[in-house]
Order: sequence, then C-alpha cells, then structure tokens
Amino acid sequence: SQQGEEDPQALSIQEGENATMNCSYKTSINNLQWYRQNSGRGLVHLILIRSNEREKHSGRLRVTLDTSKKSSSLLITASRAADTASYFCATTDLINAGNMLTFGGGTRLMVKP
Amino acid sequence: GAGVSQSPRYKVAKRGQDVALRCDPISGHVSLFWYQQALGQGPEFLTYFQNEAQLDKSGLPSDRFFAERPEGSVSTLKIQRTQQEDSAVYLCASSLLRDPGREQYFGPGTRLTVT
Repeated sequence: SQQGEEDPQALSIQEGENATMNCSYKTSINNLQWYRQNSGRGLVHLILIRSNEREKHSGRLRVTLDTSKKSSSLLITASRAADTASYFCATTDLINAGNMLTFGGGTRLMVKP
Repeated sequence: GAGVSQSPRYKVAKRGQDVALRCDPISGHVSLFWYQQALGQGPEFLTYFQNEAQLDKSGLPSDRFFAERPEGSVSTLKIQRTQQEDSAVYLCASSLLRDPGREQYFGPGTRLTVT
C-alpha cells in the first residue's frame, strides 16, 4: 500500500516560477527521498533527507522534513520546462528493517514555457 | 557506466499466458528490488533480493508472481496465468549497499498489457 498522500496531485506553473510539492507519510521513517519520473521512463533519484535532518539543498531543489507532522516538502526554484515530470516522495521504514521504498501517489508538474 | 536495464520494454500478453520480465542491475550492486506501478500511481514494492537471497517477498500480490536472482546479478520476475489486473509497469531497481535507505537506481520499466 502507498505510504501517504502527495499534495497537490497536479500543478501547472509558468517557467521561472517556483514549484512546491508536499508529501505526508504514516510511519516512523529512516529517511525520505524524492524521485522524478518523466513520462514513460524510470525514476531518477533527486535528493535524500535523513530523519534527523530538517532541511537539505541540492542545486535548485530544497527539501524540508517535519517528523512531528510526518510531512515533507520539495521546492523547485526558477522552474524550467525540462522540470515537467511526476515527482514522488518515498520513505524507508524505521521499524520494518526492510530496505524497500514506500512511495506516495506523486505530483504531476507541468512547467509551461 | 551502464545503468539498470530491463527487457522487454513492452509486453502484450493474452489473459492466461505466462510472462517473464528480466532485470540487469548495475554491476556490483548487492540489492535488487522489483516494484509495480499502476497507471497514475506511485510504485508499489513487490520483492527484494540481497545478492541471490530473496529477503522480502511480502509485496507479491499472489502466488502467480515469482522472482529469482540465482547468481546474485540478473533477476527475472515471472507472472503465471496473467490476468487483466496485472497490467502495469514493472520497475526494477538496484542499490550498492546493504544499508537501508540508500538511493535506488531504477530501470526504464517493462510495460505489461494483459488483453
């Protein structure tokens, strides 16, 4: 089953604007990761934030994690048309020692040129 | 270097047929995962291998699904007596380390359509 919800399910913005996506999850986690999926292609890892971290940056990406609210956000600044894709958060469970990722339902981002 | 590859990229099967989906992970990657992604949804975990050992198969939806990785590298996901609800993209991923929560490298997926 899916870990939780992503919000919004779809987002359409103009090139140059910022895009913010939110993710909620249900269990205690080891870490949270964000992946991007272009249409018809596999997932590409973007960034990983550990449960003891609150914020992380990578280029135009900024991720926050609030373990008390069991939520995370992904901010893409100065968006480009090439950022058009689906974005998924994924967690690894702290209690279940398995290594698998539990994904959210994804946010479909469209960046208009 | 080469990424994770999967074959075939597309497979159409008639209901009741058996299918075999292949995954070639990145060389040297210890961990291998299979996920199922329905249209418009996030991927869902099927099974996990560490080398040749299948450590978790809790996500396999029925006993018609079987996965193996006999030599600790290439893996095959087999679906017997396919049904329409098996239609989905099957993603394979590998990661280098045994530690939980490392980033996973995904293949392009096999899109299975059961008619």
